[in-house]
Amino acid sequence: AQKITQTQPGMFVQEKEAVTLDCTYDTSDQSYGLFWYKQPSSGEMIFLIYQGSYDEQNATEGRYSLNFQKARKSANLVISASQLGDSAMYFCAMRPTGANSKLTFGKGITLSVRP
Amino acid sequence: DTEVTQTPKHLVMGMTNKKSLKCEQHMGHRAMYWYKQKAKKPPELMFVYSYEKLSINESVPSRFSPECPNSSLLNLHLHALQPEDSALYLCASSQYPLAGEYEQYFGPGTRLTVT
Repeated sequence: AQKITQTQPGMFVQEKEAVTLDCTYDTSDQSYGLFWYKQPSSGEMIFLIYQGSYDEQNATEGRYSLNFQKARKSANLVISASQLGDSAMYFCAMRPTGANSKLTFGKGITLSVRP
Repeated sequence: DTEVTQTPKHLVMGMTNKKSLKCEQHMGHRAMYWYKQKAKKPPELMFVYSYEKLSINESVPSRFSPECPNSSLLNLHLHALQPEDSALYLCASSQYPLAGEYEQYFGPGTRLTVT
């Protein structure tokens, strides 16, 4: 079974600053994928970034980067140059590679960007 | 184009009504999913369709009935729902069924209220 832990209850960041959202995970699988999703108040889950467990480089997608520390089982999301539109709930998720595996979500972190 | 569409956006129904939620994707994805999400909680998987066949039913009550008419469409038929079924219903798709390295793309959701 997989478990995702997101313990930060709510995060605040000043516009244009960087922020790190924490995610730790637990799994016995050797091969897996890690994902971050953003969910604004409108409800849509927006895929942000993916990291494979065997990827040696940290994933980056525009202003998003994933700080992957496999030995510590952490996959923190870094958002650089925060914008007001980044205010949303952020979910970390993981799924083992291979058929019939399910996406396991953390409980989410609320990020508020202050002007 | 990474768009998953869902209709209707909002739905209010009585406990004796029958209604359907619709989901569509034109990305050629072979896996489609239904999730239920309560406020401030992560999505919970309900059903998975793999190559148009139901592959996972997460012990969902029979008042929810999924249907996959073709590879682009996914329906969720609702009948005799309870007020506790009020939630955001999210549809998602991915390129291959439940393969960990492929991200799921979510639709905007249907906000369902059962009165």
